[in-house]
Amino acid sequence: GAVVSQHPSWVICKSGTSVKIECRSLDFQATTMFWYRQFPKQSLMLMATSNEGSKATYEQGVEKDKFLINHASLTLSTLTVTSAHPEDSSFYICSAREIGGRETQYFGPGTRLLVL
Amino acid sequence: KQEVTQIPAALSVPEGENLVLNCSFTDSAIYNLQWFRQDPGKGLTSLLLIQSSQREQTSGRLNASLDKSSGRSTLYIAASQPGDSATYLCAVPGAFYKLSFGAGTTVTVRA
Repeated sequence: GAVVSQHPSWVICKSGTSVKIECRSLDFQATTMFWYRQFPKQSLMLMATSNEGSKATYEQGVEKDKFLINHASLTLSTLTVTSAHPEDSSFYICSAREIGGRETQYFGPGTRLLVL
Repeated sequence: KQEVTQIPAALSVPEGENLVLNCSFTDSAIYNLQWFRQDPGKGLTSLLLIQSSQREQTSGRLNASLDKSSGRSTLYIAASQPGDSATYLCAVPGAFYKLSFGAGTTVTVRA
């Protein structure tokens, strides 16, 4: 089956630093990847849609200068949290939609970010 | 804007009992609905995807029904086991395949 990986799975950083999270589709090509964040005991909230070769589309209320998204290839999207603050601590999950595939999105295992 | 609601928020049952999880959505113009499982601190595992033309979908002990006109889906888990303990999320796609998620139902199956 389709597999999506995320790296790192855990990251702890100091306030003010930037953190990069990678999302890879391992055995398929994804024209579109999605980035979500999830706070404890809450559901997933879509942050942005990442399209290969073009600018990401951000949801209302998500700061594009703070959450930089790059979709450089059909198998890799990156999310960079710039100048991270404690309130950015969350669980970040990506998903990927296969080119020409069904509507199913395949989800990564998530990245836990803790900003001290 | 699509609103997805899941009831109940939490459910605790003894092993062997059947589980019934409910999901409702406000915009019935969907082309599918998906059920996911999430274990604590983990990503999402897709369980079932029901196309809008289908009324139900089955996989092992799982059965999901869809009533588009009333904006409802139900996930049934037969003969629950402790390993079924997790949070179950339903989601519907909107424009550009963006998924709207419910808040989830956290299930605990007691041995």
